[in-house]
Amino acid sequence: KNQVEQSPQSLIILEGKNCTLQCNYTVSPFSNLRWYKQDTGRGPVSLTIMTFSENTKSNGRYTATLDADTKQSSLHITASQLSDSASYICVVSGGSNDYKLSFGAGTTVTVRA
Amino acid sequence: DTEVTQTPKHLVMGMTNKKSLKCEQHMGHRAMYWYKQKAKKPPELMFVYSYEKLSINESVPSRFSPECPNSSLLNLHLHALQPEDSALYLCASSQSPATGAPSYEQYFGPGTRLTVT
Repeated sequence: KNQVEQSPQSLIILEGKNCTLQCNYTVSPFSNLRWYKQDTGRGPVSLTIMTFSENTKSNGRYTATLDADTKQSSLHITASQLSDSASYICVVSGGSNDYKLSFGAGTTVTVRA
Repeated sequence: DTEVTQTPKHLVMGMTNKKSLKCEQHMGHRAMYWYKQKAKKPPELMFVYSYEKLSINESVPSRFSPECPNSSLLNLHLHALQPEDSALYLCASSQSPATGAPSYEQYFGPGTRLTVT
């Protein structure tokens, strides 16, 4: 069964601090891995997308890494801001159907002043 | 333009009502999706249209009826819903995986918050 597991489930950090979110997956075959940011009650917004051959990708203060051998990914947020408070979802595509994405449960990040 | 728009933003309906959710994109994407998302849960795939044809129906109850009038529009018709159908309904679009592209981004709309009373 294709699964995507994220940790931690939630975290609280102070404004200006860094944090790292983890994602482990068992989706096979693997096509790509995305990180989405979702504000409460809004649609997910893509932060990064990585294919098998990419092991790091940055988008401003967000840096994602991918280790396709161990099937692990991380999302690092640098110098957090209050606007970073959201749910961060790891999504993997591949498996038996290219249309279907495997979603992680998300990590809820709360940034406090 | 990388935007997917959805209307309405909020919808409250009774169990006997008939309503429709609308989704539109102008990115030339030929795959469009409906997802249902409950609070603090990841989105769940409901339907996929590829080249205006229904490609995937994830065993969704018939009270949800999708329609793809053209390559830019996607509707979700609602009838006789239950209170447990209250959720955030998300539309997304992407290039069709049938093109063989190595990666294809799914762009999500802002969602429609549906409440069934």
